[in-house]
Amino acid sequence: EVQLVESGGGLVQPGRSLRLSCTASGFTFGDYAMSWLRQAPGKGLEWVGFIRSKAYDGTTDYATSVKGRFTMSRDDSKSIVYLQMNSLKTEDTAVYFCSRDRLGLIGIFDYWGQGTLVTVSS
Amino acid sequence: DIVMTQSPDSLAVSLGERATINCKSSQTVLYGSNYKNYLGWYQQKPGQPPKLLIYWASTRESGVPDRFSGSGSGTDFTLTITSLQAEDVAVYYCHQYYTTPWTFGQGTKVEVK
Repeated sequence: EVQLVESGGGLVQPGRSLRLSCTASGFTFGDYAMSWLRQAPGKGLEWVGFIRSKAYDGTTDYATSVKGRFTMSRDDSKSIVYLQMNSLKTEDTAVYFCSRDRLGLIGIFDYWGQGTLVTVSS
Repeated sequence: DIVMTQSPDSLAVSLGERATINCKSSQTVLYGSNYKNYLGWYQQKPGQPPKLLIYWASTRESGVPDRFSGSGSGTDFTLTITSLQAEDVAVYYCHQYYTTPWTFGQGTKVEVK
C-alpha cells in the first residue's frame, strides 16, 4: 500500500526557515518524481514544486511564488523527499501536501499524504 | 501562467441527478505532438487530501466510479457526475499540467440539494 507521511510543520516566525519531510512507503521511491503542493486555510490548491527521479537527474522546478526561497531534495536510500523553506512569509501559511507523480507522467498526482500545517506568524 | 477558471463556484444537486462542472484554461492544454489534453480533475472532501479522479481530460483513474466522466479539449473542459451520490459531496478542482507552473482552478463545491 502506497503511503506518504509529511512531517516538520509548525509555527515559525516570518523570515525564518523550516524543513518539511515526506516519508514514502509501498513503492519503489527512486523511480518516481515527487511533488509538494499547498493549501492556504479555506483556499484552493497551489502547486509548490517537483523533483524528478535520479534517472532524470533529479531536476527540480518551482512555482514562481517560492522560487529562490524553497528547495526540494530527495534521499532515495531513505525514501524521503524534503522541502527546505527559507525566508518564510505570512502568505506561506498553508497545509503542505506531498504527492507522488504518476510513473513517467509528472504532473499527475496519484497519491497524496495527509498534509502538515505550516503557520508563519510573529 | 495558465489561468484555470471553473464555473460555477458552487452547485447544489439532488441525489441521483446530474452535476456538471466547467473548467476553462487561458490557453490551450492540448499538446499537438500526442493529441493529449494535459488536464486533470481532483476531488477533495473535508479534512482530506485531494484524490485524483480524471487525467488526460477523460481517463478515469482506477477505482473511480463510472458516474464520473471528463470531456473537452483545448481550453474548455467538463466534469460530469451522472447520478450524484451523498459521498460525492466535495470540492472539485481542475488542474493543468501542460506547462509549469502547474495551476489549478479555484474549485467548485458540490452539495446535495
